[in-house]
Amino acid sequence: GENVEQHPSTLSVQEGDSAVIKCTYSDSASNYFPWYKQELGKGPQLIIDIRSNVGEKKDQRIAVTLNKTAKHFSLHITETQPEDSAVYFCAAIRDTGGFKTIFGAGTRLFVKA
Amino acid sequence: KAGVTQTPRYLIKTRGQQVTLSCSPISGHRSVSWYQQTPGQGLQFLFEYFSETQRNKGNFPGRFSGRQFSNSRSEMNVSTLELGDSALYLCASSFPDSNYGYTFGSGTRLTVV
Repeated sequence: GENVEQHPSTLSVQEGDSAVIKCTYSDSASNYFPWYKQELGKGPQLIIDIRSNVGEKKDQRIAVTLNKTAKHFSLHITETQPEDSAVYFCAAIRDTGGFKTIFGAGTRLFVKA
Repeated sequence: KAGVTQTPRYLIKTRGQQVTLSCSPISGHRSVSWYQQTPGQGLQFLFEYFSETQRNKGNFPGRFSGRQFSNSRSEMNVSTLELGDSALYLCASSFPDSNYGYTFGSGTRLTVV
């Protein structure tokens, strides 16, 4: 069946460094790719998303890139801060042939001060 | 506007009991999805409701069921609880006719003893 692989499962960076989380999806019909941040004791929150007709999107310190040919998308966080420490989930969604959302397994990001 | 509200926040139940969890979506959102989150397992899709009808279903046993009311509020029920059902249950709502941009609630943490 379809799946989304997310790497790494754990990432530790020094404050101020960049962090990159990568996801690969298998369903070629997926056309929407959101990223969620989950802090301790809270539900996941949407932080950025990208649609299949766009290759890159940026919002301040975070950016997402999409390579549809390789079925690969990545989250980039620059100038990391301790408050970026959380679990990040990617997802691949399609809205043709029935809505379907598949989440990656998550990446626990630690930003050391 | 108010976010997605899940009640209760915490529950402790005994094996064999049943439990009902509640989710009130954001006003105007008609799609409600439920996820189970366990350590190391990421977000596992349970089911999605739209306009009082189950639109999608994940690979969970029949002990897991749900429903949606005319005001879009949703409930999920787990019967004959097992220890392995201990998890954080998350509800997410989204804009009508779209699977885009989930907004998650804070979840209900269920512990089965």
